[in-house]
Amino acid sequence: DIQMTQSPSTLSASVGDRVTITCRASQSINPWLAWYQQKPGKAPKFLIYKASYLETGVSSRFSGSGSGAEFTLTISSLQPDDFATYYCQQYSSYPWTFGQGTKVEIK
Amino acid sequence: EVQLVDSGGGLVQPGGSLRLSCEASGFPFSAYWMSWVRQAPGKGLEWVANIQKDGSEIYYVDSVRGRFTVSRDNAKNSLYLQMNSLRAEDTAVYYCARAPLSGSRPGAFDFWGQGTTVTVSS
Repeated sequence: DIQMTQSPSTLSASVGDRVTITCRASQSINPWLAWYQQKPGKAPKFLIYKASYLETGVSSRFSGSGSGAEFTLTISSLQPDDFATYYCQQYSSYPWTFGQGTKVEIK
Repeated sequence: EVQLVDSGGGLVQPGGSLRLSCEASGFPFSAYWMSWVRQAPGKGLEWVANIQKDGSEIYYVDSVRGRFTVSRDNAKNSLYLQMNSLRAEDTAVYYCARAPLSGSRPGAFDFWGQGTTVTVSS
């Protein structure tokens, strides 16, 4: 199975900050990497697919990059609505696996 | 508008069974791979199963293979998850999700149901 490791697990930031979350896979998964945002009690929201493609309707302050086994999600200027937990997910091979999540908290 | 409505969750004793349903609307259901993803209380997301557009290809996470069965009825725009021999560790919110094709393969989950809660406890 491909293990997905996110860092950090928790991130404290302020409105307006630039935030970067890293996701490392235990082997190359290029480019089959997605990012999701989840708020408490809600279903995840799809943000990015194929590592760097922004889903339609998602704010351009979100961006994804990376290749091979190392990927990043960047929020260019953190907004109040962005405080949430973020998950990466590989869909390169079965079983599809998620990272453990990164909680973005208000500093 | 794409909608996925999950239902069928509840409290069940260990060893029991439950059938989850996901009713789809707003898109051509038969043209999409569909999936189940679960989230244990306070934990992260775990992919459970994928089913191909016509049900001819099915994949499971090892922890449910042989106990859970995913199926679909394209005439009813519905996805199902039959869960047998339930264990305490199956306690979770279960989400159905749509997986659009990326080339010839299923892609990431672009729409999710609201989730249905399964609690396995005596």
